[in-house]
Amino acid sequence: GDSVTQTEGQVTVSESKSLIINCTYSTTSIAYPNLFWYVRYPGEGLQLLLKVITAGQKGSSRGFEATYNKETTSFHLQKASVQESDSAVYYCALGDRPGYQNFYFGKGTSLTVIP
Amino acid sequence: DMKVTQMPRYLIKRMGENVLLECGQDMSHETMYWYRQDPGLGLQLIYISYDVDSNSEGDIPKGYRVSRKKREHFSLILDSAKTNQTSVYFCASSLSDTQYFGPGTRLLVL
Repeated sequence: GDSVTQTEGQVTVSESKSLIINCTYSTTSIAYPNLFWYVRYPGEGLQLLLKVITAGQKGSSRGFEATYNKETTSFHLQKASVQESDSAVYYCALGDRPGYQNFYFGKGTSLTVIP
Repeated sequence: DMKVTQMPRYLIKRMGENVLLECGQDMSHETMYWYRQDPGLGLQLIYISYDVDSNSEGDIPKGYRVSRKKREHFSLILDSAKTNQTSVYFCASSLSDTQYFGPGTRLLVL
């Protein structure tokens, strides 16, 4: 079946430094899947951070960006300069079927930004 | 503003008691989901509902059942809760290719 693998566990980055959270996916779908990054801030539910539904395209939001690479089946999340307010748990996700979507999530990466 | 609500936010139950978790959405989305999240395991799909009275098992349905009698409301029921059902439960609804999540319910089964 479909699956998503992302940088696991906790990541600690100093404020103003760059960030990359790796995400790779596997799918049995004939069509290219939709790819997402969700973020969960403390005490809140998951929020959509960005999505890309076309292979080769880049999505961006709040200074984060991710490029849909179908050759390497990757969708890494990057930010050039993180802020303390970026501390949260980040989830890479795959949606495999338009209409009645099945979604598959990575295990989440907990980011702590230290001032 | 698109919103998914969950009630209650926190719940403590004893083993063997029944549990009802409620989820509501104001977006008229057809598809709704229940997940649980445990440390190191990410989100696990319990049930998916494609519309009123149209529900399918997810990856871990054992010990759970759901009810969807109105499009905007999706309930998760634990009949005779077990300690291993202690978790954080998330509800979501989706429109086409994007999911919208509720804030979660933290359930502790003693």
